[in-house]
Amino acid sequence: AQSVSQHNHHVILSEAASLELGCNYSYGGTVNLFWYVQYPGQHLQLLLKYFSGDPLVKGIKGFEAEFIKSKFSFNLRKPSVQWSDTAEYFCAVNAKGNKLVFGAGTILRVKS
Amino acid sequence: GAGVSQSPSNKVTEKGKDVELRCDPISGHTALYWYRQRLGQGLEFLIYFQGNSAPDKSGLPSDRFSAERTGESVSTLTIQRTQQEDSAVYLCASSLMGSPLHFGNGTRLTVT
Repeated sequence: AQSVSQHNHHVILSEAASLELGCNYSYGGTVNLFWYVQYPGQHLQLLLKYFSGDPLVKGIKGFEAEFIKSKFSFNLRKPSVQWSDTAEYFCAVNAKGNKLVFGAGTILRVKS
Repeated sequence: GAGVSQSPSNKVTEKGKDVELRCDPISGHTALYWYRQRLGQGLEFLIYFQGNSAPDKSGLPSDRFSAERTGESVSTLTIQRTQQEDSAVYLCASSLMGSPLHFGNGTRLTVT
């Protein structure tokens, strides 16, 4: 069965610090990969996605993620975080045609 | 256009009562998911409908939980004989197959 692991449950950073949130999945076949974000009081929304092609994908608000197939990883990065990036971030994976499985989430708090 | 609509937005019920939660997906979306998000926890997969295929019910926590979907439209999630541990936000999402999910605002269920 598919599973998704997010390594950190809580991350606290100062503004302008660099961010990297880890995500690993367990599934040997072809997958679609996603990062979703949930800002305080709002519903989940898509940050970025990988289906195929260039393994480095760019999302909204300066976020990017790199798919490393050999490591079954899809880590989220941002070079310089802002206070407005405070949110909960979810990695999600689905094998083609199968259900979408989410990680447990990482709560990011950015100190201004 | 209209997004995913869930009703009610809030539901308070007494332990032992049955509740029914409704989800109106985006028109034309073949895939529909139900997730549960308990306070401070990640998204827990409940059930997945894809077109006319048999639903993936592997995430339903007990036989008190059931869900139906009429064709490619409305879905209802029913919880019978509610327990306090059922208190959570129940999220519905829809998508075209393999595409990113569009989430509703959720139904916050409180069992007293």
